[in-house]
Amino acid sequence: ILNVEQSPQSLHVQEGDSTNFTCSFPSSNFYALHWYRWETAKSPEALFVMTLNGDEKKKGRISATLNTKEGYSYLYIKGSQPEDSATYLCAFTSGTYKYIFGTGTRLKVLA
Amino acid sequence: DVKVTQSSRYLVKRTGEKVFLECVQDMDHENMFWYRQDPGLGLRLIYFSYDVKMKEKGDIPEGYSVSREKKERFSLILESASTNQTSMYLCASSLPGYGYEQYFGPGTRLTVT
Repeated sequence: ILNVEQSPQSLHVQEGDSTNFTCSFPSSNFYALHWYRWETAKSPEALFVMTLNGDEKKKGRISATLNTKEGYSYLYIKGSQPEDSATYLCAFTSGTYKYIFGTGTRLKVLA
Repeated sequence: DVKVTQSSRYLVKRTGEKVFLECVQDMDHENMFWYRQDPGLGLRLIYFSYDVKMKEKGDIPEGYSVSREKKERFSLILESASTNQTSMYLCASSLPGYGYEQYFGPGTRLTVT
């Protein structure tokens, strides 16, 4: 059974803190890993699509790394702001239309 | 601005009713998806469509059917709603093939009483 796990489930950080969370996925038959941000009352939106081992992607203060051999990806947020408060989802695919989503990490940034 | 819209944000239906959830995308995407999200679980795929009139079952298709008569519209049908179908339903679309980012609608929170 393929499983994607995210940790921690939730965290609270102070404005200005840097933080990171983890997505663990099957290390065999890797095709792509997605990161999404889901703000309350809004649609999930894609942050990164990662396909190659060693990939590092960056968008503003948010970056992500990928290790397909050991089956994990890290998402980093530098200098967290209240507007970063959201649930961050990762999703794994082995090259089919089926994506396996993690349960997400709920981030709350306190002003 | 690309957009996926869903017909309702909140819906309350009675057990046994037939329920239609509509999704429309304006990006000319071939792929469209229906997911449900429940507390403590990741998004789970109900059905997938890769073209007009084409569909594939996802992980939890039981109790659901879908319709895709036009490229931009993908409907999820609950033939006879049951209380265990109370959930958040999300529609998404993407470019054809695998691995492309998905564009999501805002979700429909369905309550079946």
